[in-house]
Amino acid sequence: SQQGEEDPQALSIQEGENATMNCSYKTSINNLQWYRQNSGRGLVHLILIRSNEREKHSGRLRVTLDTSKKSSSLLITASRAADTASYYCATDDTGGFKTIFGAGTRLFVKA
Amino acid sequence: GAVVSQHPSWVICKSGTSVKIECRSLDFQATTMFWYRQFPKQSLMLMATSNEGSKATYEQGVEKDKFLINHASLTLSTLTVTSAHPEDSSFYICSAPSTRTSLRDTQYFGPGTRLTVL
Repeated sequence: SQQGEEDPQALSIQEGENATMNCSYKTSINNLQWYRQNSGRGLVHLILIRSNEREKHSGRLRVTLDTSKKSSSLLITASRAADTASYYCATDDTGGFKTIFGAGTRLFVKA
Repeated sequence: GAVVSQHPSWVICKSGTSVKIECRSLDFQATTMFWYRQFPKQSLMLMATSNEGSKATYEQGVEKDKFLINHASLTLSTLTVTSAHPEDSSFYICSAPSTRTSLRDTQYFGPGTRLTVL
């Protein structure tokens, strides 16, 4: 399968709570990216973390990368109803430009 | 920032017809573009890599004769779904990597084309 694993597959939380999503991948990578997609819409790029980085922040987002475990996590703090969407990790392998997507986590934030 | 457009944004066609989807990089040149397919409630699956001036590279399981890719210029790649059937109904998304040195890790995604085959 192209895709890595993401867990949970679905997550439902209350507004104000933190949401954590995890991603595992299969190959050596140059970088890992997280995207957001609202239902039936295009992708929104959230954050990129390079293979030599361990943690990165952007606003309410915190991403970690553990290349030894081939895994990454996305933390959204103080979630809002507007954060309701599907979140995907995507990796660019060292072999070329290909971007391969994980299975995704569907996040639902209840107001 | 760089923009990738797709046309049409949605299309409905009858079974057996062919449908062409365009992917354009609007303010940068793209020698390589990627085509993805996304079924409802599923992730994006890479279908093929479109290479300007040469043949496309297809992922395992994707029929090259059914999904014709033409990368005729540095700003345009087209995906033609030939003899479309209802099971081809999907959301098709293209992307292009930035060629600027400082942004080489960046992929720009088009807004997607929703294909419905009746």
